[in-house]
Amino acid sequence: DIQMTQSPSSLSASVGDRVTINCRASQTIDSYLNWYQKKPGKAPNLVIYAASSLQSGVPSRFRGSGSGTDFTLTISSLQPEDFATYYCQQSYSLPWTFGQGTKVEIK
Amino acid sequence: EVQLVESGGALVQPGGSLRLSCAASGFTFSNSAMIWVRQAPGKGLEWVSTIIGSGVGTYYTDSVRGRFTISRDNSKSTLYLQMNSLRAEDTADYYCAKGTTDLVIATTAFDNWGQGTLVTVAS
Repeated sequence: DIQMTQSPSSLSASVGDRVTINCRASQTIDSYLNWYQKKPGKAPNLVIYAASSLQSGVPSRFRGSGSGTDFTLTISSLQPEDFATYYCQQSYSLPWTFGQGTKVEIK
Repeated sequence: EVQLVESGGALVQPGGSLRLSCAASGFTFSNSAMIWVRQAPGKGLEWVSTIIGSGVGTYYTDSVRGRFTISRDNSKSTLYLQMNSLRAEDTADYYCAKGTTDLVIATTAFDNWGQGTLVTVAS
């Protein structure tokens, strides 16, 4: 199974800050990496697919990058509605696996 | 507008069975692979199972293979998860999600999700 490791596990940031979340795969996954946003009591929401493609309806302040084993989700200017937990997920091979999540909290 | 509505979650004893349903609308159901993902209390997301658009291909994570069965009724736009021999570690919110492809391929992402249904396995 491909292990996905996110860093940091949590971070505190202020509205307007630039935030970076990292995700590392245990083996190469090309660009088959998706990012999801999850808020408590809410359904997850696809943010980025195929490592760098912005899902329709997602604000352009979200940006994904990387390929191979190392990936990054960047939020250029954090907004109040962005406080959530973010998960990376590889779709390269079954079983599809998620990272453990990165919780973005208000400073 | 795509809508996915799960139902069937409940409190069940260890060893018991439960069937989850996910009613879909707003898209051509048979054109999408469908996925079950779960989140145990205080834990992260875990992929559980996937079924391709036609229904002839099914896939499971190791921990549920042989106990859970995913199925779909394309005439009713409904996804199911039959859960047998339930264990305490199956306790979680179960989400159905729509795949961006009709097959299980590397480009598949989960672009719409339901609100989830809670399964609690306890005596």
